[in-house]
Amino acid sequence: QVQLVESGGGLVKPGGSLRVSCAASGFTFSDYYMSWFRQAPGKGLEWVSYMSSGGSIIYYADSVKGRFTISRDNAKKSLYLQMNSLRVEDTAVYYCAREGYHNTDYWGQGTLVTVSS
Amino acid sequence: DVVMTQSPVSLPVTLGQPASISCRSSQSLVHRDGNTYLNWYHQRPGQSPRRLIYKVSNRDSGVPDRFSGSGSGTDFTLKISRVEAEDVGVYYCMQATHWPPYTFGQGTKLEIK
Repeated sequence: QVQLVESGGGLVKPGGSLRVSCAASGFTFSDYYMSWFRQAPGKGLEWVSYMSSGGSIIYYADSVKGRFTISRDNAKKSLYLQMNSLRVEDTAVYYCAREGYHNTDYWGQGTLVTVSS
Repeated sequence: DVVMTQSPVSLPVTLGQPASISCRSSQSLVHRDGNTYLNWYHQRPGQSPRRLIYKVSNRDSGVPDRFSGSGSGTDFTLKISRVEAEDVGVYYCMQATHWPPYTFGQGTKLEIK
């Protein structure tokens, strides 16, 4: 079965950096586009970033553009999100998710990133 | 960006009774390929979202048939024919026609009366 397991969350100070990871299993990772979403405490869902299967197509939400970088290692079946210049408003649970064609089907369990001094 | 508006925000329902959630988009969600990319997700407390419905009315594998999706253009509905205890949580609609970005409704919290 499809499994997506995020890791790397934690507490970081404003202006700091953090990299979260997502380990995939149960499907051919290199065939699928992938996304990151986030959910601030008690709030709704927000799309963050998207990467094609080979990494040539990348999109970012305006709120993170220039600060966050998505990447993947198909050999390791892993997706990454490098987050720099973190702000208090970036505090959220970060989810990785598998993409179909115009369709997000499976989500991981999430990893909490807290930005606070 | 496409704005998605859900109603109601809170939905108290008696077990065994029906429930209905509305989702409206600020522009038509019909893609140039003729499909309408409107999904519904359910998020139980403390869990990640699970997709229930894709392309307006297609139920995902394992989703009970008491869940149904309908609608067209800018107006969509998720219906639960008979609410069960496991249905509590927050329901989100998401459009994937005009992206990036994907955009979500603000969520509808279903609780048992």
